[in-house]
Amino acid sequence: EPEVTQTPSHQVTQMGQEVILRCVPISNHLYFYWYRQILGQKVEFLVSFYNNEISEKSEIFDDQFSVERPDGSNFTLKIRSTKLEDSAMYFCASSDRAGANVLTFGAGSRLTVL
Amino acid sequence: AQSVAQPEDQVNVAEGNPLTVKCTYSVSGNPYLFWYVQYPNRGLQFLLKYITGDNLVKGSYGFEAEFNKSQTSFHLKKPSALVSDSALYFCAVRAPRSGNTPLVFGKGTRLSVIA
Repeated sequence: EPEVTQTPSHQVTQMGQEVILRCVPISNHLYFYWYRQILGQKVEFLVSFYNNEISEKSEIFDDQFSVERPDGSNFTLKIRSTKLEDSAMYFCASSDRAGANVLTFGAGSRLTVL
Repeated sequence: AQSVAQPEDQVNVAEGNPLTVKCTYSVSGNPYLFWYVQYPNRGLQFLLKYITGDNLVKGSYGFEAEFNKSQTSFHLKKPSALVSDSALYFCAVRAPRSGNTPLVFGKGTRLSVIA
């Protein structure tokens, strides 16, 4: 069964450092998403991406965040200067259509900012 | 803006008993509703969805959910729980408008099935 894969599974970084989280969506999917889950809290939408541009983004997705699809297979989330409150599990997801279609999620990347 | 409430942080049930995990939602118009499950160290896995039609939706692993428009609820149910059902369950809603609208999740309910 096709999977969304995410790397790294866990990253520890110092506050102020840049972090790049990587995702390989399912190959025929066109819509890509990043979500995050702070420990013990709900899964929060960050950004959606289609046709090489951001479709929607939440208030969380400020200027410190960016997304890119650099090579047609990877989908990356960059945090420019990490803060303590960025510590969370970050989930990538993809779908082949918008609307009612199902998102397929990766296993997540746990980011710990010290 | 759409939102989802899962009023229970934890649900405990004995193996073989029926289980219910509650979810209520708030959205303008007719919603798209989803249930996802998360096992330890895994991503969120799709269980079932309601788009339109029959209010009772059947999904993976024997789970079902009933859409109740008057109560704005979409509770997840299973007639007979298994120990292997123990996991974190998320309800989610999507507003039915054009474009790539985000899926909004509840905070999750941890289901523990005791042998």
